[in-house]
Amino acid sequence: EVQLVESGGGLVQPGASLRLSCAASGFTFSSYVMHWVRQAPGKGLEYVSLISSVGGTTFYADSVKGRFTISRDNSKNTLFLQMASLRPEDTAVYYCTRGTGTVAGSRLDPWGQGVLVTVSS
Amino acid sequence: QSVLTQPPSVSGAPTQRVTISCSGSSSNIGDNAVNWYQQLPGKSPRLLIYYDDLLPSGVSDRFSGSKSGTSASLAISGLQSEDEADYYCAAWDGSLNGPVFGGGTKLTVL
Repeated sequence: EVQLVESGGGLVQPGASLRLSCAASGFTFSSYVMHWVRQAPGKGLEYVSLISSVGGTTFYADSVKGRFTISRDNSKNTLFLQMASLRPEDTAVYYCTRGTGTVAGSRLDPWGQGVLVTVSS
Repeated sequence: QSVLTQPPSVSGAPTQRVTISCSGSSSNIGDNAVNWYQQLPGKSPRLLIYYDDLLPSGVSDRFSGSKSGTSASLAISGLQSEDEADYYCAAWDGSLNGPVFGGGTKLTVL
Protein backbone atom coordinates (compact mmCIF):
# COMPACT_ATOMS: atom_id res chain seq x y z
CA GLU A 1 0.00 0.00 0.00
CA VAL A 2 1.30 3.43 -0.95
CA GLN A 3 1.63 5.54 2.18
CA LEU A 4 2.87 9.02 3.03
CA VAL A 5 3.28 10.02 6.67
CA GLU A 6 4.16 13.59 7.63
CA SER A 7 5.77 14.62 10.89
CA GLY A 8 7.53 17.56 12.49
CA GLY A 9 4.70 20.04 12.86
CA GLY A 10 3.91 22.04 15.95
CA LEU A 11 3.56 25.47 17.51
CA VAL A 12 6.40 27.90 16.90
CA GLN A 13 6.93 31.62 17.35
CA PRO A 14 7.19 34.04 14.43
CA GLY A 15 10.69 34.05 13.00
CA ALA A 16 11.42 30.49 14.08
CA SER A 17 12.39 27.52 11.94
CA LEU A 18 10.85 24.08 11.58
CA ARG A 19 11.56 21.01 9.49
CA LEU A 20 8.80 18.80 8.20
CA SER A 21 9.41 15.22 7.13
CA CYS A 22 7.38 12.87 4.97
CA ALA A 23 8.12 9.15 5.17
CA ALA A 24 7.12 7.30 2.01
CA SER A 25 6.46 3.60 1.64
CA GLY A 26 4.87 1.16 -0.77
CA PHE A 27 6.41 2.56 -3.96
CA THR A 28 9.77 3.36 -5.55
CA PHE A 29 10.24 6.77 -3.94
CA SER A 30 13.24 7.72 -6.09
CA SER A 31 11.14 7.51 -9.27
CA TYR A 32 8.61 10.19 -8.37
CA VAL A 33 8.32 13.95 -8.17
CA MET A 34 7.24 14.92 -4.65
CA HIS A 35 5.22 17.92 -3.56
CA TRP A 36 4.17 19.94 -0.54
CA VAL A 37 0.73 21.59 -0.48
CA ARG A 38 -0.69 23.53 2.45
CA GLN A 39 -4.13 24.56 3.66
CA ALA A 40 -4.66 27.41 6.10
CA PRO A 41 -7.51 26.91 8.58
CA GLY A 42 -10.83 27.22 6.74
CA LYS A 43 -9.10 28.09 3.46
CA GLY A 44 -8.36 26.40 0.17
CA LEU A 45 -5.34 24.46 -1.03
CA GLU A 46 -2.17 26.39 -1.71
CA TYR A 47 0.77 24.98 -3.61
CA VAL A 48 4.06 25.24 -1.70
CA SER A 49 6.88 23.37 -3.38
CA LEU A 50 7.97 20.44 -5.52
CA ILE A 51 11.16 18.50 -6.13
CA SER A 52 12.01 16.24 -9.03
CA SER A 53 12.79 12.57 -8.56
CA VAL A 54 16.55 13.05 -8.17
CA GLY A 55 16.32 16.52 -6.69
CA GLY A 56 17.66 18.45 -9.64
CA THR A 57 14.54 20.56 -10.17
CA THR A 58 12.65 22.45 -7.51
CA PHE A 59 9.77 24.94 -7.48
CA TYR A 60 8.57 27.27 -4.76
CA ALA A 61 5.48 29.40 -4.49
CA ASP A 62 6.28 33.10 -4.29
CA SER A 63 4.87 33.18 -0.76
CA VAL A 64 7.63 30.88 0.55
CA LYS A 65 10.48 31.51 -1.86
CA GLY A 66 13.72 32.30 -0.05
CA ARG A 67 12.37 30.99 3.27
CA PHE A 68 11.49 27.36 2.60
CA THR A 69 13.76 24.65 1.19
CA ILE A 70 12.55 21.34 -0.16
CA SER A 71 14.85 18.33 -0.23
CA ARG A 72 14.73 14.57 -0.31
CA ASP A 73 16.77 11.58 0.80
CA ASN A 74 16.06 8.81 -1.69
CA SER A 75 18.12 6.34 0.35
CA LYS A 76 15.69 6.83 3.25
CA ASN A 77 12.51 7.35 1.21
CA THR A 78 11.96 10.67 2.92
CA LEU A 79 10.89 14.12 1.76
CA PHE A 80 11.70 17.25 3.76
CA LEU A 81 10.54 20.83 3.98
CA GLN A 82 12.85 23.15 5.89
CA MET A 83 10.91 26.24 6.89
CA ALA A 84 12.67 29.38 8.15
CA SER A 85 11.57 32.87 9.12
CA LEU A 86 8.10 31.55 9.78
CA ARG A 87 5.20 33.99 9.73
CA PRO A 88 1.69 33.76 11.18
CA GLU A 89 0.37 33.41 7.63
CA ASP A 90 2.33 30.17 7.28
CA THR A 91 -0.07 28.58 9.77
CA ALA A 92 -1.61 25.66 7.93
CA VAL A 93 -1.90 21.94 7.55
CA TYR A 94 0.96 20.83 5.34
CA TYR A 95 0.37 17.86 3.06
CA CYS A 96 2.99 15.70 1.40
CA THR A 97 1.87 14.23 -1.91
CA ARG A 98 3.28 12.19 -4.74
CA GLY A 99 3.32 13.45 -8.29
CA THR A 100 2.76 11.13 -11.23
CA GLY A 101 3.54 12.11 -14.80
CA THR A 102 5.78 14.91 -15.97
CA VAL A 103 6.71 17.73 -13.63
CA ALA A 104 4.38 20.08 -15.49
CA GLY A 105 1.60 17.55 -15.75
CA SER A 106 1.87 16.02 -12.29
CA ARG A 107 -1.28 14.65 -10.80
CA LEU A 108 -1.07 14.43 -7.03
CA ASP A 109 -1.90 11.03 -5.62
CA PRO A 110 -1.95 9.95 -2.87
CA TRP A 111 -1.83 12.57 -0.14
CA GLY A 112 -0.56 12.19 3.39
CA GLN A 113 -2.71 12.82 6.42
CA GLY A 114 -1.21 16.28 6.86
CA VAL A 115 0.69 17.93 9.68
CA LEU A 116 -0.34 21.14 11.42
CA VAL A 117 2.08 24.02 11.69
CA THR A 118 0.99 26.91 13.90
CA VAL A 119 2.99 30.13 13.95
CA SER A 120 1.98 32.33 16.86
CA SER A 121 3.46 34.28 19.72
CA GLN B 1 -7.02 35.64 -5.46
CA SER B 2 -6.51 32.28 -7.16
CA VAL B 3 -5.12 32.01 -10.68
CA LEU B 4 -7.87 29.50 -11.49
CA THR B 5 -11.40 30.70 -10.78
CA GLN B 6 -14.07 28.44 -9.33
CA PRO B 7 -17.51 29.28 -7.93
CA PRO B 8 -17.36 29.31 -4.11
CA SER B 9 -20.36 27.01 -3.81
CA VAL B 10 -22.80 24.86 -5.74
CA SER B 11 -25.70 22.76 -4.56
CA GLY B 12 -28.05 20.11 -5.84
CA ALA B 13 -30.62 17.60 -4.68
CA PRO B 14 -29.95 13.88 -4.52
CA THR B 15 -29.95 12.17 -7.94
CA GLN B 16 -29.45 15.50 -9.73
CA ARG B 17 -26.45 16.47 -11.83
CA VAL B 18 -24.22 19.41 -10.96
CA THR B 19 -21.25 20.97 -12.67
CA ILE B 20 -18.35 22.93 -11.23
CA SER B 21 -16.47 25.29 -13.50
CA CYS B 22 -12.80 26.22 -13.45
CA SER B 23 -11.71 29.21 -15.49
CA GLY B 24 -8.12 29.97 -16.33
CA SER B 25 -6.00 31.33 -19.14
CA SER B 26 -3.84 30.27 -22.05
CA SER B 27 -0.84 29.86 -19.76
CA ASN B 28 -2.50 27.25 -17.57
CA ILE B 29 -5.70 25.46 -18.59
CA GLY B 30 -5.30 26.45 -22.22
CA ASP B 31 -1.93 24.77 -22.48
CA ASN B 32 -1.80 22.11 -19.76
CA ALA B 33 -3.74 19.23 -18.27
CA VAL B 34 -6.35 19.90 -15.62
CA ASN B 35 -6.66 17.75 -12.53
CA TRP B 36 -9.50 17.74 -10.01
CA TYR B 37 -9.34 16.90 -6.32
CA GLN B 38 -12.06 16.09 -3.81
CA GLN B 39 -11.68 16.90 -0.13
CA LEU B 40 -14.27 15.37 2.15
CA PRO B 41 -14.86 17.16 5.48
CA GLY B 42 -11.91 16.65 7.80
CA LYS B 43 -10.01 14.51 5.30
CA SER B 44 -7.00 14.87 3.04
CA PRO B 45 -7.65 15.68 -0.62
CA ARG B 46 -7.82 12.84 -3.12
CA LEU B 47 -7.34 12.78 -6.88
CA LEU B 48 -10.67 12.70 -8.69
CA ILE B 49 -9.92 13.48 -12.36
CA TYR B 50 -6.61 13.76 -14.20
CA TYR B 51 -5.49 14.78 -17.67
CA ASP B 52 -8.74 16.74 -18.08
CA ASP B 53 -11.12 13.78 -18.22
CA LEU B 54 -9.55 10.56 -16.95
CA LEU B 55 -10.76 8.74 -13.84
CA PRO B 56 -8.26 7.14 -11.45
CA SER B 57 -8.94 3.58 -10.43
CA GLY B 58 -11.59 3.42 -7.74
CA VAL B 59 -13.32 6.70 -8.59
CA SER B 60 -17.01 6.40 -9.41
CA ASP B 61 -17.98 7.00 -13.04
CA ARG B 62 -20.60 9.44 -11.74
CA PHE B 63 -17.70 11.90 -11.88
CA SER B 64 -16.54 13.26 -15.24
CA GLY B 65 -14.28 16.02 -16.45
CA SER B 66 -14.08 18.11 -19.57
CA LYS B 67 -12.10 21.01 -20.96
CA SER B 68 -12.64 23.57 -23.67
CA GLY B 69 -10.16 26.32 -24.37
CA THR B 70 -9.21 28.00 -21.12
CA SER B 71 -12.02 26.50 -19.03
CA ALA B 72 -12.61 23.12 -17.46
CA SER B 73 -15.59 21.53 -15.78
CA LEU B 74 -16.28 18.78 -13.31
CA ALA B 75 -19.66 17.09 -13.53
CA ILE B 76 -21.22 14.91 -10.86
CA SER B 77 -24.28 12.91 -11.83
CA GLY B 78 -26.63 10.97 -9.59
CA LEU B 79 -25.74 13.23 -6.68
CA GLN B 80 -25.38 11.47 -3.33
CA SER B 81 -25.02 12.82 0.19
CA GLU B 82 -21.49 11.45 0.41
CA ASP B 83 -20.48 13.75 -2.45
CA GLU B 84 -20.66 16.72 -0.08
CA ALA B 85 -17.11 18.00 -0.16
CA ASP B 86 -14.81 20.72 -1.41
CA TYR B 87 -13.61 20.35 -4.98
CA TYR B 88 -10.44 21.90 -6.39
CA CYS B 89 -9.14 22.21 -9.94
CA ALA B 90 -5.41 22.44 -10.60
CA ALA B 91 -3.08 22.92 -13.54
CA TRP B 92 0.48 23.88 -14.38
CA ASP B 93 0.95 27.54 -15.20
CA GLY B 94 3.62 28.24 -17.80
CA SER B 95 3.89 31.91 -16.89
CA LEU B 96 4.43 31.19 -13.20
CA ASN B 97 6.41 28.08 -14.13
CA GLY B 98 4.61 26.20 -11.41
CA PRO B 99 1.34 24.51 -10.48
CA VAL B 100 -1.73 26.41 -9.33
CA PHE B 101 -5.00 25.50 -7.64
CA GLY B 102 -8.43 26.97 -7.99
CA GLY B 103 -9.98 28.53 -4.91
CA GLY B 104 -12.20 25.53 -4.32
CA THR B 105 -15.94 24.91 -4.58
CA LYS B 106 -18.08 23.66 -1.72
CA LEU B 107 -20.73 21.21 -2.88
CA THR B 108 -23.85 20.96 -0.75
CA VAL B 109 -26.30 18.12 -1.31
CA LEU B 110 -29.72 19.44 -0.36
